[in-house]
Amino acid sequence: DTEVTQTPKHLVMGMTNKKSLKCEQHMGHRAMYWYKQKAKKPPELMFVYSYEKLSINESVPSRFSPECPNSSLLNLHLHALQPEDSALYLCASSQLRGNNQPQHFGDGTRLSIL
Amino acid sequence: GESVGLHLPTLSVQEGDNSIINCAYSNSASDYFIWYKQESGKGPQFIIDIRSNMDKRQGQRVTVLLNKTVKHLSLQIAATQPGDSAVYFCAENTGRSSYKLIFGSGTRLLVRP
Repeated sequence: DTEVTQTPKHLVMGMTNKKSLKCEQHMGHRAMYWYKQKAKKPPELMFVYSYEKLSINESVPSRFSPECPNSSLLNLHLHALQPEDSALYLCASSQLRGNNQPQHFGDGTRLSIL
Repeated sequence: GESVGLHLPTLSVQEGDNSIINCAYSNSASDYFIWYKQESGKGPQFIIDIRSNMDKRQGQRVTVLLNKTVKHLSLQIAATQPGDSAVYFCAENTGRSSYKLIFGSGTRLLVRP
């Protein structure tokens, strides 16, 4: 079992809906990440939070809105998504002590946009 | 541009044999590399990592080799088992940020019984 927990596991939503993806870790990691993964492709970085502050936004459209309410939680708010946004959304976390710490992933939320 | 690529998209091996999965990287500034295993319906699972000041690192049944001269990374799995069947990704950290990983395109490992 992964130590990074993502909910829900599956989500189907219409293009006008508003929904949120949630991620939780209790490993004391102070860096948290959102990735998008299309079928048969590698994960692509979307956002990075360090010490609960947004440090990297990989030019993600504003219909994706991340939030880090505390050091254990990471949310991704979704609004007015497009069918091409259907994908597996992965959350990851890592330590910030020193450089080059491995990122640990959750099992993702599989999102389908109707 | 910067990229991490794999030579073989699919690798089929006999159960019990050793597997070697290869990865080429193009950024000479990369100083940290990770191998991940992703099974169907799951997220990437950390297998092993290596820093650029090393050329070999061993784990349980796995060995990662790093050749900085030719910018090549490999993952060796000893005595491959059916449970090893998955997609394997290499990932590199470019050194400029400890946060950003660039993933390779992945290799599917199929283990024949």
